[in-house]
Amino acid sequence: DIVMTQSPDSLAVSLGERATINCKSSQSVFYSSNNKNCLAWYQQKPGQPPKLLIYWASTRESGVPDRFSGSGSGTDFTLTISSLQAEDVAAYYCQQYSTTPPTFGPGTKVDIK
Amino acid sequence: QVRLQESGPGLVKPSETLSLTCSVSGDSITTYYWSWIRQPPGKGLEWIGYIYYSGSTNYNPSLKSRVTMSLDMSKNQFSLKLTSVTAADAAVYYCARLVGTSGWFDYWGQGTLVTVSS
Repeated sequence: DIVMTQSPDSLAVSLGERATINCKSSQSVFYSSNNKNCLAWYQQKPGQPPKLLIYWASTRESGVPDRFSGSGSGTDFTLTISSLQAEDVAAYYCQQYSTTPPTFGPGTKVDIK
Repeated sequence: QVRLQESGPGLVKPSETLSLTCSVSGDSITTYYWSWIRQPPGKGLEWIGYIYYSGSTNYNPSLKSRVTMSLDMSKNQFSLKLTSVTAADAAVYYCARLVGTSGWFDYWGQGTLVTVSS
């Protein structure tokens, strides 16, 4: 299985400031057939299911605010919240879908400083 | 709008079988792959497997010997059975729509907490 790691475990950011979450895969998740990376990001608020934010490492799901952006390639990826809002307090998970089974990172908790 | 809703017992005895059903509305279960994912309290997410309307399934190797998924097209539902449960199987169980055979999960149910206890 591909092992996903995330850093930091948690972070606190002031409202309006940038939040950056890192995700690393134990092997490349690059898909040569379409030159894209098989990496998704989810947001999970307490008591709620995960919500898809981004897929193909950088494609924003419909309806997701443009302050959320994804980047990276191969084994190293980043989710950036450009201007943190109060409603962004949540845990964030990355997920690879390059190989079966799909696997998730352990999550990063984002809070307000 | 696609909606998924899990149902089933919230308490299962050790060594018994966990059975859950996911009811899908707003989409036909013949159009996508459908998955189960679980999350132990305070922990991360684990994919359990998927089923396609053709009956094709793919299970996480870590659970494969204990998992069976099925679907009922007449009710637009799919189900999960996990046998011989232990305390390690206690979790919130989510059903979700999977994009492709190996992709991302774009719609999720609200989840149902399953406790394992005698």
